[in-house]
Formats: sequence, structure tokens, C-alpha cells
Amino acid sequence: QVQLVESGGGVVQPGGSLRLSCAASGFTFNSHALNWVRQAPGKGLEWVAVISCDGSKKYYVESVKGRFSISRDNSRNTVSLQMNSLRPEDTAVYHCARGGVATERGNYSYYYMDVWGKGATVTVAS
Amino acid sequence: AIRMTQSPSSFSASTGDRVSITCRASQGISNYLAWYQQKPGKAPKLLIYAASTLQSGVPSRFSGSGSGTDFTLTISCLQSEDFATYYCQQYYSYPLTFGGGTKVDI
Repeated sequence: QVQLVESGGGVVQPGGSLRLSCAASGFTFNSHALNWVRQAPGKGLEWVAVISCDGSKKYYVESVKGRFSISRDNSRNTVSLQMNSLRPEDTAVYHCARGGVATERGNYSYYYMDVWGKGATVTVAS
Repeated sequence: AIRMTQSPSSFSASTGDRVSITCRASQGISNYLAWYQQKPGKAPKLLIYAASTLQSGVPSRFSGSGSGTDFTLTISCLQSEDFATYYCQQYYSYPLTFGGGTKVDI
């Protein structure tokens, strides 16, 4: 069945780095954009980043620009989130989420999220 | 960034009730709106996209309406498994943004 499984979460000190991975199965991986969405403890959902089907386009929420980097390997059906210069406010469960049918407007594609992974927990604390 | 505001933030209901949740966008987003359901400790689940299109496998008691800035999620006959938190999300522009959530409890 269609599945997304995150890994790589853990505890890291402020200023440290962590790399999350998401393994996909059950669908044609290179036909879908992939997102990362996070949820801080007791809080709502916050979209973090998206990468297009072929990896050529990437967009980020302002608060992680220059610190986080999203990438994908279509030969291994994986998407990753490299997180550097981590801050306590980055503490959250990070979900990998598949982009649904793209909405094309101008030079951009936009997505709702139709399949979600269970998430990986990232804790930034000293 | 487009701000998404949900109301109410929480409320209590009973099984069999008809309930509605409102989501307002800070600017027009056409019908580029999705609704999700999340239960404690679980991943969100897509219910509706394009404001009113039911995702495959989602019960027909869920419905969505609206366009522009004002949207509504309605559950026609609340079931025990529907007690959860609901989020709206706009996909009109980046950054993609979610509403703050509406918790429906007994």
C-alpha cells in the first residue's frame, strides 16, 4: 500500500544538525512532489518545505530558509531534509507528506497533501 | 503569507449532531483549500481538497463548501470516530499555510 516512513529524528543541541529521511513505497515516486510538515508539541501544523517531482524546484517557509535543505533521490524513492543551525523552536514532529494533484498558476505548482507519514520527532535542547 | 483563521478553536458536540467549522483566508484563494483530520498521536488525514471534493474513501457525511475567502467543513451526522482536530490549508501560494485547528470533542 501507499506508505511514507520517516527516520532520522533525535535529540540535538542548539546549533547542531540533523538529517531526516522519508522512504516511500506503493506509488510512482517520481510523479509526486514531496513536502515536509512539522508540528510542535501541542501546536498546529506548519508547512516547512516542498520539492518538485524532478527535484528542480524547492520552496521553504521563511523561518527555515538558509538553514534547512530538502532533496530527493528518485532512484531510491527517498526524500530528505537536512537541518542545520537548529534552534529550540525547531522542536517538533516532522511529517513527510505526498503532494496531491498539482495546481499550476504562473510558474509555480501548489499542492495539498494526500498521503502522510507518521512522523519523526526532533528535539532541540541543551 | 496568507493567514488562515479557523473558528471555533474548539467545541463540544454529541454523536448524531450536524457540525460546521469555518475557515477564513486573509486574501482570496479561489477554491485552493484542503481539510484534514488529525487524531492524537496520528498523522493528519486528507478529507477534502479543492474546497469541496471528497478524497477517495472519506465518508459522505463530510462535505466542504466555499470559495474566495470563506470556507466551511460540515459533518452531517457526527460519529464517535469523528472526534478529532480539523485543519484547513491553502495551496494558493507559498508558503503553504494551515489554520490553527478546530478540536471537536464530546
